[in-house]
Amino acid sequence: GQNIDQPTEMTATEGAIVQINCTYQTSGFNGLFWYQQHAGEAPTFLSYNVLDGLEEKGRFSSFLSRSKGYSYLLLKELQMKDSASYLCAVRDSNYQLIWGAGTKLIIKP
Amino acid sequence: DVKVTQSSRYLVKRTGEKVFLECVQDMDHENMFWYRQDPGLGLRLIYFSYDVKMKEKGDIPEGYSVSREKKERFSLILESASTNQTSMYLCASSLGEIGSGANVLTFGAGSRLTVL
Repeated sequence: GQNIDQPTEMTATEGAIVQINCTYQTSGFNGLFWYQQHAGEAPTFLSYNVLDGLEEKGRFSSFLSRSKGYSYLLLKELQMKDSASYLCAVRDSNYQLIWGAGTKLIIKP
Repeated sequence: DVKVTQSSRYLVKRTGEKVFLECVQDMDHENMFWYRQDPGLGLRLIYFSYDVKMKEKGDIPEGYSVSREKKERFSLILESASTNQTSMYLCASSLGEIGSGANVLTFGAGSRLTVL
């Protein structure tokens, strides 16, 4: 079966760095997405990786290793507003998105 | 900004009732999707549509139907609501061919349905 694994919850301190991991086993691979979802709000797109390596976008970076079925989202200089759930999703060989259950990130002052 | 609007944020219905969830997007996106989001589970695709009057089943279509009579509107219908359909329902849209490039989803804020 197809599976996306990410930690259920993480806690970090304001100003610090946190890495949220995502491992996947899917039927084929056509890209990996990260979305951010604040409580009670719509998920919003953060990043897209289709080739191995690191994609940097301001304070957020996303890394992909296709051979390992692994990605991470790196958040630097954490702010209180980064408290949210982070959803990892993989597009499979049928171009359908398979979603992880999300990682709830709690930022403490 | 692309906007996806779901008409009802909170609904409470009784078992057996017919439920309509409406979704409208204002950026001429070809593709529209209905997901449900439950605690501890990833988003699960119910139905999607890549053109007016076209619909495709997702992973969990049982107990649901959809309608897309206009490009901007995609409705989710629960013919006879059941308690196991209590959930958060998310509508999304995207531009261009599904699977091409990033094909980013833009989501609505969700409709939380409780079936008693």
